Amino acid sequence: SQTIHQWPATLVQPVGSPLSLECTVEGTSNPNLYWYRQAAGRGLQLLFYSVGIGQISSEVPQNLSASRPQDRQFILSSKKLLLSDSGFYLCAWTSGTGGEKLFFGSGTQLSVL
Amino acid sequence: AQKVTQAQTEISVVEKEDVTLDCVYETRDTTYYLFWYKQPPSGELVFLIRRNSFDEQNEISGRYSWNFQKSTSSFNFTITASQVVDSAVYFCALSSGDDKIIFGKGTRLHILP
Repeated sequence: SQTIHQWPATLVQPVGSPLSLECTVEGTSNPNLYWYRQAAGRGLQLLFYSVGIGQISSEVPQNLSASRPQDRQFILSSKKLLLSDSGFYLCAWTSGTGGEKLFFGSGTQLSVL
Repeated sequence: AQKVTQAQTEISVVEKEDVTLDCVYETRDTTYYLFWYKQPPSGELVFLIRRNSFDEQNEISGRYSWNFQKSTSSFNFTITASQVVDSAVYFCALSSGDDKIIFGKGTRLHILP
């Protein structure tokens, strides 16, 4: 069966520090991968999505970036965190066959202080 | 451009009342998919339903029903005889040809005992 792993669950970082959140999917190949952010009391904002290795579509460039070095690995990064980067980050995947539901990771609660 | 609007930020109803959550979408694609997800207080996202753009039949699942109307670009969700366990944030989402999946800002539903 397919599983999605996202870590860490909680992260507290100072302003200006770097960020690396990792997400891996098991049990499937060539998934579509997504990063979403949910700020407190706000909706799910699509940050990046990827339909293949090295293919990244950016919705919210700002100071965040994403990479897909392997088929089932999706990494969210920042060189210097801002206070506004605080939020709940969710990784998700679909089968990539079109119109399939998202399977979500358990999320990372990021607090930038 | 694609867009999902959930105009109701927060709704409170008394248990056993019926409640409808509105979702209006925008897309230029002729093939697209619409979804509803539930986010209970625990934070995980629970898939509720998927509907493709060629299937306008309404659907009922227990106390849940969905009304899809292409003429008004709406995909509304009704909970009949609401229960306290229905309290959650509900998200409507849109997926179209470029594999991008976007969400509305969500409606926070409070079911009062």
